[in-house]
Amino acid sequence: AQSVAQPEDQVNVAEGNPLTVKCTYSVSGNPYLFWYVQYPNRGLQFLLKYITGDNLVKGSYGFEAEFNKSQTSFHLKKPSALVSDSALYFCAVRSRGDSSYKLIFGSGTRLLVRP
Amino acid sequence: DTEVTQTPKHLVMGMTNKKSLKCEQHMGHRAMYWYKQKAKKPPELMFVYSYEKLSINESVPSRFSPECPNSSLLNLHLHALQPEDSALYLCASSQDSAGVKTGELFFGEGSRLTVL
Repeated sequence: AQSVAQPEDQVNVAEGNPLTVKCTYSVSGNPYLFWYVQYPNRGLQFLLKYITGDNLVKGSYGFEAEFNKSQTSFHLKKPSALVSDSALYFCAVRSRGDSSYKLIFGSGTRLLVRP
Repeated sequence: DTEVTQTPKHLVMGMTNKKSLKCEQHMGHRAMYWYKQKAKKPPELMFVYSYEKLSINESVPSRFSPECPNSSLLNLHLHALQPEDSALYLCASSQDSAGVKTGELFFGEGSRLTVL
């Protein structure tokens, strides 16, 4: 069965400091991995994805994520956090061999960036 | 700005009412989705339409009835709902329903439903 774990309900970081939001996954076969962000009372916005190739993926708003196959992780990172990055972040996975159209979402991590 | 438009943004209905949620996209996407999201929880997939045909129904109760009149429109008809159905209902679309692009979903801002 496919699953995604986001072990931290909330991450607190000071503005200007680097941030990391953790994600680990379990799928049969090779994964497609995604990060989405949700601001209050809004829909989800796509941030970045890993499909194949370079393990370091760069996305919107200065975010990046590193795919680590041996650790089955896809942590989201940003070198310097902004207060406006405060939001709810979801990691999602789909197995490359899955014929359904279903994304499996993690439980979400709330990022709070303090001034 | 989102390219997936959902109406209404807010809806309050009684348990005996019939109402509909609407979703529209003009990106030429051929897959459209309904998700339900409770507060501080991840979205839960309800339905997937691929090329205007229902391809996934995640065992959703029949009081929720989806409809895809054409490739740009997706409706969710609501009837005899329960208070526990109160949630944010998100519509999404993707370029197609298979292949690499599948996971890159474009979400609307949602319709917040309250059932009294």
